[in-house]
Amino acid sequence: AQSVTQPDIHITVSEGASLELRCNYSYGATPYLFWYVQSPGQGLQLLLKYFSGDTLVQGIKGFEAEFKRSQSSFNLRKPSVHWSDAAEYFCAADYSSASKIIFGSGTRLSIRP
Amino acid sequence: DGGITQSPKYLFRKEGQNVTLSCEQNLNHDAMYWYRQDPGQGLRLIYYSQIVNDFQKGDIAEGYSVSREKKESFPLTVTSAQKNPTAFYLCASSISGAVGADTQYFGPGTRLTVL
Repeated sequence: AQSVTQPDIHITVSEGASLELRCNYSYGATPYLFWYVQSPGQGLQLLLKYFSGDTLVQGIKGFEAEFKRSQSSFNLRKPSVHWSDAAEYFCAADYSSASKIIFGSGTRLSIRP
Repeated sequence: DGGITQSPKYLFRKEGQNVTLSCEQNLNHDAMYWYRQDPGQGLRLIYYSQIVNDFQKGDIAEGYSVSREKKESFPLTVTSAQKNPTAFYLCASSISGAVGADTQYFGPGTRLTVL
């Protein structure tokens, strides 16, 4: 079955440190890929998306993600995190089947002062 | 401002009661979606609608019902048949709902608590 895996449930990084959140999608045809961010009690905000072309995608708030077909990965990165980046991050994939997007279970990011 | 609104933000229900969650969008999107979010489980699709007067069941439709009488509105009813309705409910919309390459935009959510 098609799936999206976010192996890290919770990550803590120091403010100013670099960040990488992992995301793997199941094998098969390359899906369309998304990263969303959710602040507590809020809806999801789109950070970036990959449809085709350049494998390094730039998003909002200084985030970027790199698509690696050989590793079935779409990891999210930020060179220097800010306290306001503390939130839950969701990776999602659209396998082009009946308009259904599959979400990972999320990674909660905490920022250490 | 264009966007998706959900109301109410918090909703309390007694066991055995039906309750309806509102979702409205002014983005002129054809497709709308309802998700349920539980801690540690990500988002699960309840129902979706690609066009007015048409909708399909998602992965966890049992105990829920929807209608799509207007393009901008997609209300979700949580019925008494839903055994564990306490959750955070998110509504989303996208331009066309066409297969692939269609970004979903989310509302702020409604937290439903069954007392």
